[in-house]
Amino acid sequence: NAGVTQTPKFQVLKTGQSMTLQCAQDMNHEYMSWYRQDPGMGLRLIHYSVGAGITDQGEVPNGYNVSRSTTEDFPLRLLSAAPSQTSVYFCASGGTGVNYGYTFGSGTRLTVV
Amino acid sequence: GEDVEQSLFLSVREGDSSVINCTYTDSSSTYLYWYKQEPGAGLQLLTYIFSNMDMKQDQRLTVLLNKKDKHLSLRIADTQTGDSAIYFCAEIFRSGGSYIPTFGRGTSLIVHP
Repeated sequence: NAGVTQTPKFQVLKTGQSMTLQCAQDMNHEYMSWYRQDPGMGLRLIHYSVGAGITDQGEVPNGYNVSRSTTEDFPLRLLSAAPSQTSVYFCASGGTGVNYGYTFGSGTRLTVV
Repeated sequence: GEDVEQSLFLSVREGDSSVINCTYTDSSSTYLYWYKQEPGAGLQLLTYIFSNMDMKQDQRLTVLLNKKDKHLSLRIADTQTGDSAIYFCAEIFRSGGSYIPTFGRGTSLIVHP
């Protein structure tokens, strides 16, 4: 099983550029989310989705857009990259039962210069 | 979201026991989790405990839950150098009809010979 697949693993952007971080899961999980991880800040929730067609904002949504057209995919879009968005981004998925642990992707390391 | 607090660092000698502590705020949390993050990797679910339990043991791992004090701990017996990683405590809180995990900032466990 592939689990949660994130692409790309590394990316360097110039300020103002746009890009999409891809996330796909093959476990038929309804819940998917995006986190960013910064030194000393732990994981902060950006956006999440509880099913296809349903998304909501997390703790730090500004500067990011998401959509969920299928159960499998949950892309994260940066419309106009800023240096403050330099971070490691993790996608996670989980079942709707609260006893389900969440499965994480291996991360995308993004640098905005 | 709710706050989950952890100390940032813990250093132990190989063979000793490690105890990583966590406090949480949402008394309605039904499940609490421990995740492990090795360098350059995503988070991996280690174990979880249901809120009506006081203790859960899984090989070298022991999870203790004190609901009155909202305190969760992870004990690793016979700590090995391969246990060096960042450990995250997480609780689930309800947002509308969704269950959203909230993570602490992570505790960096350093195991030295």
